Amino acid sequence: DIQMTQSPSSLSASVGDRVTITCRASQSISTYLNWYQQKPGKAPNLLIYAASSLQSGVSSRFSGSGSGTDFTLTISSLQPEDFATYYCLQSYSTPPLTFGGGTKVEIK
Amino acid sequence: EVQLVESGGGLVQPGGSLRLSCAASGFTFSTYWMHWVRQAPGKGLVWVSRIKSDGSNTDYAGSVKGRFTISRDNAKNTLFLQMNSLRVEDTAVYFCARARSIAPAVPDYWGQGTLVTVSS
Repeated sequence: DIQMTQSPSSLSASVGDRVTITCRASQSISTYLNWYQQKPGKAPNLLIYAASSLQSGVSSRFSGSGSGTDFTLTISSLQPEDFATYYCLQSYSTPPLTFGGGTKVEIK
Repeated sequence: EVQLVESGGGLVQPGGSLRLSCAASGFTFSTYWMHWVRQAPGKGLVWVSRIKSDGSNTDYAGSVKGRFTISRDNAKNTLFLQMNSLRVEDTAVYFCARARSIAPAVPDYWGQGTLVTVSS
């Protein structure tokens, strides 16, 4: 199974900051990498699919990049509503689908 | 508007069974792969199972294989997860999710989840 490692596990940033979250795969997954946002008590929300494609309706301040084993999710200007936990998901070698452990973003 | 509504969660003793349901609306259910994903309290997301649009293909996580069965009724726009031989470690919120139309391995829309608690 492909293992997905996210870093950091948590971060604290100020409104307006540029925030970067990384996800590393245990083997190459091309661009089969997806990002989700989950707010407390809510369902996950798909932000980015295929490493860099923005899901319809998602703010353009979210962007994704990377290929192979290393990927990043960037929030260009952090907003208060971005307080959430972010997960990456590999969809290259399935089953199983495998998620990263999550990155909790807290607002300073 | 895509809607997914899970039901059937609750408290069950170890070794017991539960059947979860997910009622779908707002899209052509019979043309999409569907997934179950779970989240233990305070923990991350873990994929559980998926089923092809016509029900002809199913996959499971190793931790539930042989105990859980995914199925669907396309006439009633409903997804199911039959959970047998439940263990304490199966305690979680269970989400159903629709897969992207051109990427069966990528859930896009999710329900709000139903809580399953396995405890004596």
